[in-house]
Amino acid sequence: AQSVAQPEDQVNVAEGNPLTVKCTYSVSGNPYLFWYVQYPNRGLQFLLKYITGDNLVKGSYGFEAEFNKSQTSFHLKKPSALVSDSALYFCAVRDANRDDKIIFGKGTRLHILP
Amino acid sequence: NAGVTQTPKFRVLKTGQSMTLLCAQDMNHEYMYWYRQDPGMGLRLIHYSVGEGTTAKGEVPDGYNVSRLKKQNFLLGLESAAPSQTSVYFCASSYWEGVLYFGPGTRLTVT
Repeated sequence: AQSVAQPEDQVNVAEGNPLTVKCTYSVSGNPYLFWYVQYPNRGLQFLLKYITGDNLVKGSYGFEAEFNKSQTSFHLKKPSALVSDSALYFCAVRDANRDDKIIFGKGTRLHILP
Repeated sequence: NAGVTQTPKFRVLKTGQSMTLLCAQDMNHEYMYWYRQDPGMGLRLIHYSVGEGTTAKGEVPDGYNVSRLKKQNFLLGLESAAPSQTSVYFCASSYWEGVLYFGPGTRLTVT
């Protein structure tokens, strides 16, 4: 069965610094990978996806993620953090060769310090 | 377009009571999902559906049932609510590639 690990419960970054939120996954087939964000007291919003193609994918709000097949990772990055990026971030995976389950990680809370 | 809507937004149940959560989407999506969100546990998949008339179990299906009689609706039922089912429930729908469109959530408390 597919699984997702987000090893950090919380990440603190100073405003203006680059940020990375880590995600590793396990699937038996080809992965479809996603990042979602949840702002306080709001719903979940899609940020970006990797289905196929370039390993570096760009998404909303200046975020990007790099698919690394050998390390089974899909880390979320942003070159310069904003205070408004503070939120809960979820990585998700679907095993394209197995079934249509979409499994989420436990989430990483990102705090951007002014 | 309303996107994905969930009814109700809040509910308080007593242990042993039953209820049904309704999810509706107007995007003609084939795939629909029910998740629960608990602090420190992330989003856990309860059940999902890949088309009208189909349902499948997710990671935590026990204590829940679902039905997808119409393409646009996905119902989640709790036959006998337990305090462990206190949670925020999210419905989502998608096309084949899996980008999920989420509803606003239902906050359920079981006392």
